[in-house]
Amino acid sequence: GAVVSQHPSRVICKSGTSVKIECRSLDFQATTMFWYRQFPKQSLMLMATSNEGSKATYEQGVEKDKFLINHASLTLSTLTVTSAHPEDSSFYICSARDIMGQGGSPLHFGNGTRLTVT
Amino acid sequence: AQKITQTQPGMFVQEKEAVTLDCTYDTSDPSYGLFWYKQPSSGEMIFLIYQGSYDQQNATEGRYSLNFQKARKSANLVISASQLGDSAMYFCAMREGQGGTSYGKLTFGQGTILTVHP
Repeated sequence: GAVVSQHPSRVICKSGTSVKIECRSLDFQATTMFWYRQFPKQSLMLMATSNEGSKATYEQGVEKDKFLINHASLTLSTLTVTSAHPEDSSFYICSARDIMGQGGSPLHFGNGTRLTVT
Repeated sequence: AQKITQTQPGMFVQEKEAVTLDCTYDTSDPSYGLFWYKQPSSGEMIFLIYQGSYDQQNATEGRYSLNFQKARKSANLVISASQLGDSAMYFCAMREGQGGTSYGKLTFGQGTILTVHP
């Protein structure tokens, strides 16, 4: 089945540093990828929609200068958390839509990245 | 207004029994899709079942079935013959519309934590 690889799975960084998270579709092309954020025992909140070759679309309240998204190819999107602070500590998960997918095709999710900012 | 509502923060079920997880939704779009995902403690999102707004029959996938009541805007998940491995967080999600660059974007409910007792 379709696989989305997300890396790293866990990262601990110091306050003020930047962290890059990769989301890669391994066996399909994804013109669109989505980045979600999830706090413990809460829902997934969409942060931004990443479209290959164009600027990302950010949801209301998400700082685009803090959460930089790049979707340089049909198989790779990256999320960079810049100048991370402890309140950025969270579970970040990406998902990708297969370019060939039909209406009922589920989004394929990465396994998530648990970010801890100390 | 909340687009997807899961009113059960937690549910308990005895092994081998059936359990229903509730989900109601709100949309004015005639074309939409409803998904259920399972999220174990490891964090991955596992696709379970899909129901399209135009589908005449309730979706079924193995032990999972979706009780789709369009007029009531509900899409409850029924898990039959519960297993210990079913213990996880369950999310109902909706995708609206037919196309566009953000097609595939999912809005998630709050989630229900299911605990299966032996």
